Amino acid sequence: DIQMTQSPSTLSAYVGDRVTITCRASQSISDWLAWYQQKPGKAPKLLIYKASTLETGVPSRFSGSGSGTEFTLTISSLQPDDFATYYCQEYESYSWLTFGGGTKVEIK
Amino acid sequence: QVQLVQSGAEVKKPGSSVKVSCKASGGTFSGYIVSWVRQAPGQGPEWMGGIIPSFGSANYAQKFQGRFTITTDESMSTIDMELSSLRSEDTAVYYCARVREQCSSTSCALDHWGQGTLVTVTS
Repeated sequence: DIQMTQSPSTLSAYVGDRVTITCRASQSISDWLAWYQQKPGKAPKLLIYKASTLETGVPSRFSGSGSGTEFTLTISSLQPDDFATYYCQEYESYSWLTFGGGTKVEIK
Repeated sequence: QVQLVQSGAEVKKPGSSVKVSCKASGGTFSGYIVSWVRQAPGQGPEWMGGIIPSFGSANYAQKFQGRFTITTDESMSTIDMELSSLRSEDTAVYYCARVREQCSSTSCALDHWGQGTLVTVTS
């Protein structure tokens, strides 16, 4: 099974900061990676798929990069609405998928 | 706009089974692929399995093989999941989620999610 490791697990930042979250895969997944945002009591929301393609309606301050085993999600200028938990998810296999453990972005 | 609407919260005893439904609001699941994902309290999401309703074929995470079943009705308006032999560790919010339309398998990014169903397993 592919393991997905996110870092950091918690991140404290100010509004306006540039924020970067890292996701590492235990083996190469090409660019079969998605990023989600989740707020308390809500379902995850798709932000990015295929490592760097922004989902329709997602603000352009979100961006994704990487391939193989190392990926990043960047928020260029953190907004109040962005304080949430972020998850990466691989889908390299045809028949299963795996989520990372999450990164909580908190207000500093 | 696709909306997935799930059935309500459940409280179950250890050893019993639970069934959670997912309905496509205003339409059917024809042409969609749907996955089930659960999230235990304070944990990340965990993929359980998925189904291609048009083919009636489902695949499951190895961890849940043998006690987890996904089915759809003939009209493809509802997708059900059933988890048996429940234990306390199965306490979680269970989500149905649609695979992106451009994908051809259950393994892909998930672009529309149900509101979640809390299943509590307690004696």
